Amino acid sequence: AQSVSQHNHHVILSEAASLELGCNYSYGGTVNLFWYVQYPGQHLQLLLKYFSGDPLVKGIKGFEAEFIKSKFSFNLRKPSVQWSDTAEYFCAVISSASKIIFGSGTRLSIRP
Amino acid sequence: DAGITQSPRHKVTETGTPVTLRCHQTENHRYMYWYRQDPGHGLRLIHYSYGVKDTDKGEVSDGYSVSRSKTEDFLLTLESATSSQTSVYFCAISTLGTGEHLHFGNGTRLTVT
Repeated sequence: AQSVSQHNHHVILSEAASLELGCNYSYGGTVNLFWYVQYPGQHLQLLLKYFSGDPLVKGIKGFEAEFIKSKFSFNLRKPSVQWSDTAEYFCAVISSASKIIFGSGTRLSIRP
Repeated sequence: DAGITQSPRHKVTETGTPVTLRCHQTENHRYMYWYRQDPGHGLRLIHYSYGVKDTDKGEVSDGYSVSRSKTEDFLLTLESATSSQTSVYFCAISTLGTGEHLHFGNGTRLTVT
């Protein structure tokens, strides 16, 4: 069965600090990997996705993620965070059967 | 916003009663999903559907059943509600089931007393 683990439950950073949020997945087949963001009071929005090809993918708002197959990881990074990045971030894995499983989320708080 | 309507928006019910939540879409999307969102657990997949009458279990399907008799409607039923099913329930739709264009409804807040 597929699963997703996000080990950082709450991350607090100062503005301009670098960000890395961990995501590990468990699934034996081909997966598509995603990061979503949920700003306070809003729906989930897609940040970036990985289907195949270059394991370093770039998304919106300066975010990027690296797929490392040997580590079953898909960590999210941003070189310099802003106060507006305060949100909850969800990693997700999608199986070939279109079952979409989310991680438990990481709450990011940015100190101005 | 994608045309997704969840009803009711809020519901309070007693333990042991059956409850049905409805998700209605006007987008003609093939894939529909039911999630519950709880603090510290993120979004957990309950059931999903990949077509009319085609459904499958998710991570936390015990105590829940679903039906999809029409493309536009996906019903979630709690056979006998328990306090552990107090949650916010989200329906999502996707045209391709690939996660790129996953649209969520506004949620149903269910309280089981």
